[in-house]
Amino acid sequence: EAGVAQSPRYKIIEKRQSVAFWCNPISGHATLYWYQQILGQGPKLLIQFQNNGVVDDSQLPKDRFSAERLKGVDSTLKIQPAKLEDSAVYLCASSPRLAGGIYNEQFFGPGTRLTVL
Amino acid sequence: AQSVTQPDIHITVSEGASLELRCNYSYGATPYLFWYVQSPGQGLQLLLKYFSGDTLVQGIKGFEAEFKRSQSSFNLRKPSVHWSDAAEYFCAVAANTNAGKSTFGDGTTLTVKP
Repeated sequence: EAGVAQSPRYKIIEKRQSVAFWCNPISGHATLYWYQQILGQGPKLLIQFQNNGVVDDSQLPKDRFSAERLKGVDSTLKIQPAKLEDSAVYLCASSPRLAGGIYNEQFFGPGTRLTVL
Repeated sequence: AQSVTQPDIHITVSEGASLELRCNYSYGATPYLFWYVQSPGQGLQLLLKYFSGDTLVQGIKGFEAEFKRSQSSFNLRKPSVHWSDAAEYFCAVAANTNAGKSTFGDGTTLTVKP
């Protein structure tokens, strides 16, 4: 079974530029998550999708961050314009839905390391 | 709101010694609890999870964790550490609902001395 794919793996941009990250979850996984992991901290949830609907985006800075999952499969996270404090690793994860809708573990991709100069 | 505290930022143990990483959580009901490991440049890998039932949970790579409701803790243990266990370890709590939001601790970095 293929894992969660993310691209690019590394990105360096100037502040005020825009950037986009792509995630392809494990086939059949209904739930998709984007996390921001700042150096020295644990992952912080930015947005959670169930199929192509948003379940939780309470910690997404909506003035500059946006995310979509149009067909309920892959997803894109965009930052426009980027700030210095956006330097972090952006992790994508997906999760299956078991019979009966029981919550399950998340499978993480390798992440995209963003450096904003 | 749910939260996770990992009191130890960095732990160093000798190879072959036992290991215990601490995790304390705050959540109003019985949570789902997880331990993940992250090697440099890699994503997070699940070590073990607790949903319900037996409070002593066995995971991969010889790890185990014990859920103690009275102490709001979910400490990770391994009887004999290998050099390859050097990594960062994250404890996470999720609400026990269908779309439960996960909250992670800030991690504990494990160094293994030869």
